[in-house]
Amino acid sequence: RKEVEQDPGPFNVPEGATVAFNCTYSNSASQSFFWYRQDCRKEPKLLMSVYSSGNEDGRFTAQLNRASQYISLLIRDSKLSDSATYLCVVNGAGSGGSNYKLTFGKGTLLTVNP
Amino acid sequence: SAVISQKPSRDICQRGTSLTIQCQVDSQVTMMFWYRQQPGQSLTLIATANQGSEATYESGFVIDKFPISRPNLTFSTLTVSNMSPEDSSIYLCSATGGAGGGTDTQYFGPGTRLTVL
Repeated sequence: RKEVEQDPGPFNVPEGATVAFNCTYSNSASQSFFWYRQDCRKEPKLLMSVYSSGNEDGRFTAQLNRASQYISLLIRDSKLSDSATYLCVVNGAGSGGSNYKLTFGKGTLLTVNP
Repeated sequence: SAVISQKPSRDICQRGTSLTIQCQVDSQVTMMFWYRQQPGQSLTLIATANQGSEATYESGFVIDKFPISRPNLTFSTLTVSNMSPEDSSIYLCSATGGAGGGTDTQYFGPGTRLTVL
């Protein structure tokens, strides 16, 4: 099983649609979870951290299920500017559960169409 | 959040040569890292740059190929040695543990796009 595995995508949705990204991780000792966004030819930028209680930031909702080792990101009322690759990132996912090592999923490309 | 710059932003190099990439953070940070992102792939951690000591390399990466320096809390370099076309990639520096930030939130530099002919 891959350390961090995401929906392969790509996703093509119309403006205003709701889109969900799913991610699983293999190391139950993983400690922190994030969604990053990467625009074409740009560096990854932190979108939001993911907490066990679930958290929301405007149109974005992230959920974590530690028992299932599953992370999700929901984008409501999608905008053209949401088009990007979304990266599921886990801290401590590698062997030994290093506190600072980030392990990235391969990313899911989202294209929001007018 | 920390602001990170990298130099050069891109380069085209000949096989067998070496390139040193610089990473500068605008504030002191606890941890600095170097990643590689190959075309169409996600990021892979190369090593953790330790201030005042040897870098900690991930499996598949060695010091002879990717020597790293970190002379202080705001600066690091990565050298890609004896390059081959397989080293063509984007190299990204990241940092965590700066003022006002947690130790598990990493911020990334803009990356260095390397092409080896």
